[in-house]
Amino acid sequence: KNEVEQSPQNLTAQEGEFITINCSYSVGISALHWLQQHPGGGIVSLFMLSSGKKKHGRLIATINIQEKHSSLHITASHPRDSAVYICAVLRDSNYQLIWGAGTKLIIKP
Amino acid sequence: GAVVSQHPSRVICKSGTSVKIECRSLDFQATTMFWYRQFPKQSLMLMATSNEGSKATYEQGVEKDKFLINHASLTLSTLTVTSAHPEDSSFYICSAEPLGNEQFFGPGTRLTVL
Repeated sequence: KNEVEQSPQNLTAQEGEFITINCSYSVGISALHWLQQHPGGGIVSLFMLSSGKKKHGRLIATINIQEKHSSLHITASHPRDSAVYICAVLRDSNYQLIWGAGTKLIIKP
Repeated sequence: GAVVSQHPSRVICKSGTSVKIECRSLDFQATTMFWYRQFPKQSLMLMATSNEGSKATYEQGVEKDKFLINHASLTLSTLTVTSAHPEDSSFYICSAEPLGNEQFFGPGTRLTVL
């Protein structure tokens, strides 16, 4: 079993829909990152969380440390949100960054 | 927020040549920088941890002589892929850490070795 699991692996939605991407992990962490990767590979860091909730524009990220779970939400989704979204956790025992496999999101106009 | 840049963003080279990738923290000093290599299906492998003024710490299985890392200043770390081969073609990402456990990621460099 992977230490970081994301779901769904693929998600196709219509423009305007509310999107949720989930990330579960099985190790102790000191921080969790949500990143966005567009075709061609460019990485954009969206959030770093150690507790609670953060919001930036139409993006909201939450983390529940007790349940070892984080969610990334996109409100009023737009085709330009189409990308791969990656959850990565910083393991607190050895400071290793463990990446999830990513969720490929396609927003149709 | 803190910004990390990488240069070049994309490079194509012939087999046998060496390629240097730069990672810069633009608005903060980073005592530690990390170099990652991305494999298919988005999995990422930590290659090495780079500390300013000292030798990099390489992960098991990463060839030190092939992937040369230099962290000469608090804002710049370089990764040199020496004698590159097609199997070195990949997406290389750096991250920089100003303090504590915050990490800020660079946008990545796509290396294609012909």
